[in-house]
Amino acid sequence: GAGVSQSPRYKVAKRGQDVALRCDPISGHVSLFWYQQALGQGPEFLTYFQNEAQLDKSGLPSDRFFAERPEGSVSTLKIQRTQQEDSAVYLCASSSLTGNTIYFGEGSWLTVV
Amino acid sequence: GQQVMQIPQYQHVQEGEDFTTYCNSSTTLSNIQWYKQRPGGHPVFLIQLVKSGEVKKQKRLTFQFGEAKKNSSLHITATQTTDVGTYFCAGRNYGQNFVFGPGTRLSVLP
Repeated sequence: GAGVSQSPRYKVAKRGQDVALRCDPISGHVSLFWYQQALGQGPEFLTYFQNEAQLDKSGLPSDRFFAERPEGSVSTLKIQRTQQEDSAVYLCASSSLTGNTIYFGEGSWLTVV
Repeated sequence: GQQVMQIPQYQHVQEGEDFTTYCNSSTTLSNIQWYKQRPGGHPVFLIQLVKSGEVKKQKRLTFQFGEAKKNSSLHITATQTTDVGTYFCAGRNYGQNFVFGPGTRLSVLP
């Protein structure tokens, strides 16, 4: 597609529920990033893929967070047993290998009640 | 770990006034990027600076990378209402991923 596509755009989850957030990067982009953005804050790095390889997952806040990109294109961020502090916008971004320009998706707005 | 700070946190200006936001890193950066995020929107890439002392211009926007590659600034001349949003810097420390600053939220009064 023309840009980075994320779904769902909005998700309300009950505390303890599992959620899965999908990212469809720009076609041909090797690098894919997940960021978490709390209200009024800057994006916080979660994890980075180069093709299907997860090269950096140092930003994942707990073992309840898991990301995959099995075929090197679409990526899924899964949050197990959601908690209220997980409420945030989850931004996906992609870039070519040189990484000079990073394109963000619209984000998935997660609210845990 | 690497920390990126921005000042001011908020800035209210009258349309036509100039605006500057400053970005400071706790470590030397390989490069720095600037993004703009409109309310309710997603960050949009503006520019990347790589060289020490580099200055780049985009119409009314001037971006500067410090000589020590630990700070940067974004200056907007004669602000317009379309400049409203939050401006983020994001610094990379030689091979690691980009660390975003907390942003400067700009309001422009008509």
